[in-house]
Amino acid sequence: SQTIHQWPATLVQPVGSPLSLECTVEGTSNPNLYWYRQAAGRGLQLLFYSVGIGQISSEVPQNLSASRPQDRQFILSSKKLLLSDSGFYLCAWSEVAGYNEQFFGPGTRLTVL
Amino acid sequence: AQSVSQHNHHVILSEAASLELGCNYSYGGTVNLFWYVQYPGQHLQLLLKYFSGDPLVKGIKGFEAEFIKSKFSFNLRKPSVQWSDTAEYFCAVKPTTTSGTYKYIFGTGTRLKVLA
Repeated sequence: SQTIHQWPATLVQPVGSPLSLECTVEGTSNPNLYWYRQAAGRGLQLLFYSVGIGQISSEVPQNLSASRPQDRQFILSSKKLLLSDSGFYLCAWSEVAGYNEQFFGPGTRLTVL
Repeated sequence: AQSVSQHNHHVILSEAASLELGCNYSYGGTVNLFWYVQYPGQHLQLLLKYFSGDPLVKGIKGFEAEFIKSKFSFNLRKPSVQWSDTAEYFCAVKPTTTSGTYKYIFGTGTRLKVLA
C-alpha cells in the first residue's frame, strides 16, 4: 500500500532563516505531487505541483520554491523565511492516469518568529 | 477563475440531527468531485468521490453526496450525525479537459461540531 511521509512535523524558525520541508511517497511510481498551505477558514491553497522529476509548476508567487530531485521526493524550500510564511503545509500525491483522488501527508506546522 | 464555495463555515448540531453541507463550484466543463474530512489531529482523508454515472454517491461512515450538474453543486449529507463526526469538511473539484489537468481546487472548509 502507498504511504506518504512529511517531516518535520513541527518547526519553529527565525525570520530570515532558510527552510527545507521534505515529502516522500512510498508504494507508487511517477505520482503527481503537490504542496499546499492550509490556513484556518481559507481552505487549502495550492502552492506547487509536479508531474515528474524536475518538473515544477508554481501556482502563487511567493517566497517559497519547490524541487523534485527524485521520483517520489518533493521538497519545499525558502532561502529567507518571512513572518507570513507561518502556516500548516501539506504534501499530497495522486496517480497520474485515470480518475484519481489525492492522498495527503500528516503536514508540517511552521512557525516563523 | 475556477472556484469552490462552501457556504457554511461553522455548523453545530446535536447528535442524531441530519446534516447537509453545501458545495458549489464554478467551472463549465466536466469535473471530478470530492469530499474530504479532517478529524482533529488527523490527516485529510477522502469521504467520497464522484467521477461519472449515478449522481448520488455513497461514502464512508454513512455519508453521501449528490451531484446536481445544473446547479453546479455537490452537497454532502448524512441522515443522523454522531459526536465522532466532529471534524472539518472540505469540498474539492478537479476540472477535466481534453488536455488533462492536475489541479484540485478546494473550498474553504466547514467546521462541524456535534454535541453529545
